[in-house]
Amino acid sequence: GQNIDQPTEMTATEGAIVQINCTYQTSGFNGLFWYQQHAGEAPTFLSYNVLDGLEEKGRFSSFLSRSKGYSYLLLKELQMKDSASYLCAVRSNQAGTALIFGKGTTLSVSS
Amino acid sequence: KAGVTQTPRYLIKTRGQQVTLSCSPISGHRSVSWYQQTPGQGLQFLFEYFSETQRNKGNFPGRFSGRQFSNSRSEMNVSTLELGDSALYLCASSRSSGRGGELFFGEGSRLTVL
Repeated sequence: GQNIDQPTEMTATEGAIVQINCTYQTSGFNGLFWYQQHAGEAPTFLSYNVLDGLEEKGRFSSFLSRSKGYSYLLLKELQMKDSASYLCAVRSNQAGTALIFGKGTTLSVSS
Repeated sequence: KAGVTQTPRYLIKTRGQQVTLSCSPISGHRSVSWYQQTPGQGLQFLFEYFSETQRNKGNFPGRFSGRQFSNSRSEMNVSTLELGDSALYLCASSRSSGRGGELFFGEGSRLTVL
């Protein structure tokens, strides 16, 4: 079967660093995505990894290890506005854009 | 440029009825996909259309169907509604059909089945 696991909830304080882990088992692999979704809003794209290693984009970084079926999203200098759900998703199909999503990690940032 | 537009934003139906949801992708995007989001299951892929052809289909019953028009706009239909169909239905468009190709999501249509 196809499965993506990530923690259900995490808490952190403003200014801190938090790492959200994601493990996946899929029949194929054509890239891993991270999305952010604030309550009541549409998911928005954060990052994309298809090769092993770290991708950095401002305060956010994403890491991928294909051999381990593992990724993490690293958020630095946390702000209150980072309180949201973070969705890990894998594209397993070569031909299309379909994504298999994890159930999301709800991050709460407090002052 | 305008984002992905979904209509209606909210709707209430009763069991046994059918519903049609509409999605207008970002201009120039030819791929449109649909997802169902519920608190228990998260985001689940329904189907994807590219150039008016269904390219991929998720694991949903035949009551769920869709189509894409020549202007890339898409509709999805759910027939014989069940209570469990209550969910947020998200449409996403993408420019690319292959590698990369991030999805841009609309705000969703929230369906409540009574």
